[in-house]
Amino acid sequence: GENVEQHPSTLSVQEGDSAVIKCTYSDSASNYFPWYKQELGKRPQLIIDIRSNVGEKKDQRIAVTLNKTAKHFSLHITETQPEDSAVYFCAARPGFNKFYFGSGTKLNVKP
Amino acid sequence: NAGVTQTPKFQVLKTGQSMTLQCAQDMNHNSMYWYRQDPGMGLRLIYYSASEGTTDKGEVPNGYNVSRLNKREFSLRLESAAPSQTSVYFCASSREGYNSPLHFGNGTRLTVT
Repeated sequence: GENVEQHPSTLSVQEGDSAVIKCTYSDSASNYFPWYKQELGKRPQLIIDIRSNVGEKKDQRIAVTLNKTAKHFSLHITETQPEDSAVYFCAARPGFNKFYFGSGTKLNVKP
Repeated sequence: NAGVTQTPKFQVLKTGQSMTLQCAQDMNHNSMYWYRQDPGMGLRLIYYSASEGTTDKGEVPNGYNVSRLNKREFSLRLESAAPSQTSVYFCASSREGYNSPLHFGNGTRLTVT
């Protein structure tokens, strides 16, 4: 099955700085890559996603890049704010159904 | 539109007890999933159901059974709970299609003593 690796496991940045979280996947059949944000005690919520035929996607301060050849994708958060502090998960979906998740990155934005 | 609803929110079991976690979605999604979340291990798929009447094992199915009762409901059963099943359980659903994200319920925090 698919194997998704996520780095770093923890990330601490100063407010206003940028944060980058990286994921790699193993199954070349993976074609859809969502990112989820999970606040403490809450459910994961989708923040951005990218399809395999797209190299980059932006939504305000958040962007995701995908390199299919190298099988890696990254989440970029610019101008970080304290409310960005949370755990972020990447995921990959080979085919129609199963989603495979990375182990998560705990982002701490220091005011 | 409630989305994905899970019950209960919290549960404490003793080793060997059984229980069923309930999940229902009102988004007319075909696919439903059960994940468990443990510290440092992300979200691991227990079982999923691509459509009503079908279920398939995920990464960590041992010790669990599921029932896709109808299109809306997907339950997870622990027949004989073990301390290793202490976890947060999330139900999720998605539409058909390559580019459809998961929509999660609020989770069930289960402790097995």
